[in-house]
Amino acid sequence: DTEVTQTPKHLVMGMTNKKSLKCEQHMGHRAMYWYKQKAKKPPELMFVYSYEKLSINESVPSRFSPECPNSSLLNLHLHALQPEDSALYLCASSQEGGREQPQHFGDGTRLSIL
Amino acid sequence: AQKVTQAQTEISVVEKEDVTLDCVYETRDTTYYLFWYKQPPSGELVFLIRRNSFDEQNEISGRYSWNFQKSTSSFNFTITASQVVDSAVYFCALSEHSVIQGAQKLVFGQGTRLTINP
Repeated sequence: DTEVTQTPKHLVMGMTNKKSLKCEQHMGHRAMYWYKQKAKKPPELMFVYSYEKLSINESVPSRFSPECPNSSLLNLHLHALQPEDSALYLCASSQEGGREQPQHFGDGTRLSIL
Repeated sequence: AQKVTQAQTEISVVEKEDVTLDCVYETRDTTYYLFWYKQPPSGELVFLIRRNSFDEQNEISGRYSWNFQKSTSSFNFTITASQVVDSAVYFCALSEHSVIQGAQKLVFGQGTRLTINP
């Protein structure tokens, strides 16, 4: 069992829908990450939150909107997505975001856009 | 620029064989950190090991061992007596220097898909 929990595990949505992906960790980590992973590719960093503040946005389109309500929770709000946004979305956390700290990943949400 | 190269896209071996996954990195930093992650079909990336640039000791954990050589900028991973459960995609990653405090950025290799056949 992973210590980072992501819900839902699978999501199918139309291009006009609004949905949210959720991520939760109870390891006391203060840095949290969203990644997008296409098939047969490595994960691509989207956002980093450090102490509940957005530290990095890797020029992600505005149809993806992250939110960090508290130190244990991370959301990714989705609106007006495109078919090319279909991918595995991974959440991760690390102790404080230092370079030496390993990231701990969730199982991911497999997103399909119709 | 920082870069990680995993030249082996796919490897297929028969159970109980030993297998080595190669990782070559490029960085201008004098202090850096390297990681290996395993991604089984279920999707999550499982952290396997971290190595810092000033510790060149090789590491062994059960059937897994890692060979870090700064002289050749390599951080290779060997599985001894492979098992079907070792089948997964394995990623080597380099922790990138960031001017933003508290925000780690990982540079991933393309991954090696390892299949262990019974």
